[in-house]
Amino acid sequence: GQNIDQPTEMTATEGAIVQINCTYQTSGFNGLFWYQQHAGEAPTFLSYNVLDGLEEKGRFSSFLSRSKGYSYLLLKELQMKDSASYLCAVRGLKGDDKIIFGKGTRLHILP
Amino acid sequence: DVKVTQSSRYLVKRTGEKVFLECVQDMDHENMFWYRQDPGLGLRLIYFSYDVKMKEKGDIPEGYSVSREKKERFSLILESASTNQTSMYLCASSFSADTQYFGPGTRLTVL
Repeated sequence: GQNIDQPTEMTATEGAIVQINCTYQTSGFNGLFWYQQHAGEAPTFLSYNVLDGLEEKGRFSSFLSRSKGYSYLLLKELQMKDSASYLCAVRGLKGDDKIIFGKGTRLHILP
Repeated sequence: DVKVTQSSRYLVKRTGEKVFLECVQDMDHENMFWYRQDPGLGLRLIYFSYDVKMKEKGDIPEGYSVSREKKERFSLILESASTNQTSMYLCASSFSADTQYFGPGTRLTVL
């Protein structure tokens, strides 16, 4: 079967660092996405990992371990505007244009 | 910048009405997708299309149909709306197996 797990909610403090984990079990693997979604808005693309390792993009980094079926999104120097849901999504089969979304992690930032 | 637009941000319909949700993208993307998003259930794929006049069922196609007469436009049709179809509907597009870009969403309420 296809399964993507991530925590439902997390809370962190402004200026701190937070790590959002995602584990997946899918039929094949051909890339993992992270999206950010503010309340009432559409998801927006953050990162894409297809090879093992860390991809850094400003305050956000995403890590992938294919052998462990594991990824994390790291947010540094948290700002109030980072309060949002973060969606992990996986493309399973090579050539498959569909991606499977996790249910998202709602991140609350406290001042 | 990729632009995906949806015909309405908010829509209220009555049970049994036929409902059309339209999505237009301006980046000549081959693939277009319709999702619904519900609290606790995440994003679920209803239908997708990888070419004009082509369509594939997603995970929850029951009660829905789609139309893709032109490459830039993908319509979702609720033949006879029911209260359990009250949801946020999100359209997305992508070039081949690339990142999906989302429209702003339509919040549909069926009374």
